[in-house]
Amino acid sequence: EVHLVESGGGLVKPGRSLRLSCETSGFTFNIAWMTWVRQAPGKGLECLARIKDITSGGATDYAAPVKGRFTISRDDSKNTVYLQMNSLQTDDTAVYYCTTLDGYGYTRRWGQGTLVTVSS
Amino acid sequence: EIVLTQYPATLSLSPGERATLSCRASQSVGTYLAWFQQKPGQAPSLLIHDASIRATGIPARFSGSGSGTDFTLTIDSLGPEDFAVYYCQQRYSWLTFGGGTKVEIK
Repeated sequence: EVHLVESGGGLVKPGRSLRLSCETSGFTFNIAWMTWVRQAPGKGLECLARIKDITSGGATDYAAPVKGRFTISRDDSKNTVYLQMNSLQTDDTAVYYCTTLDGYGYTRRWGQGTLVTVSS
Repeated sequence: EIVLTQYPATLSLSPGERATLSCRASQSVGTYLAWFQQKPGQAPSLLIHDASIRATGIPARFSGSGSGTDFTLTIDSLGPEDFAVYYCQQRYSWLTFGGGTKVEIK
């Protein structure tokens, strides 16, 4: 069974950094493409970052609002994907989900999410 | 960025009725569109991909149609578990989501 478990969320002051982790199991992580998606309270969904597998060069892509501030990375030895978030702003407050991308390119499996609150 | 607009924002229906949800893209996405269901406190779950293909385990009362810029999700005979928020997602260019349609009990 596929599991994705996010961690690392919490309360952080504006301008500070936070690193989220997503530990996975139940599938072949090293050939999986992964994303981070967030959902602000009471709002819709926003895909932030994508990382391809090593055979695709581990290429990364970012949404405009986070490009240059957030970095997605992976450790295939730990079946884990990360999201390093720098220069956090109040409008980064959201639940952050990691997801797998299926062979069709859609966000197939989702974790339960981790809440990040940016507030002074 | 491709913008997806969902309408209506809220759909008030009774159990057993048919729900018709719409999603319009700001430019053609071919059939690279998916539908998700999200219940309170839960992550979204995939219902339909490539506009009309049901994901594994999804009941036949859920169906998708459309191509280009206009798409529809139809739920035949709403069950109590179907009252939720539904999002469309395109993968033609990056990955973007619509704003959602809430299907609530009338």
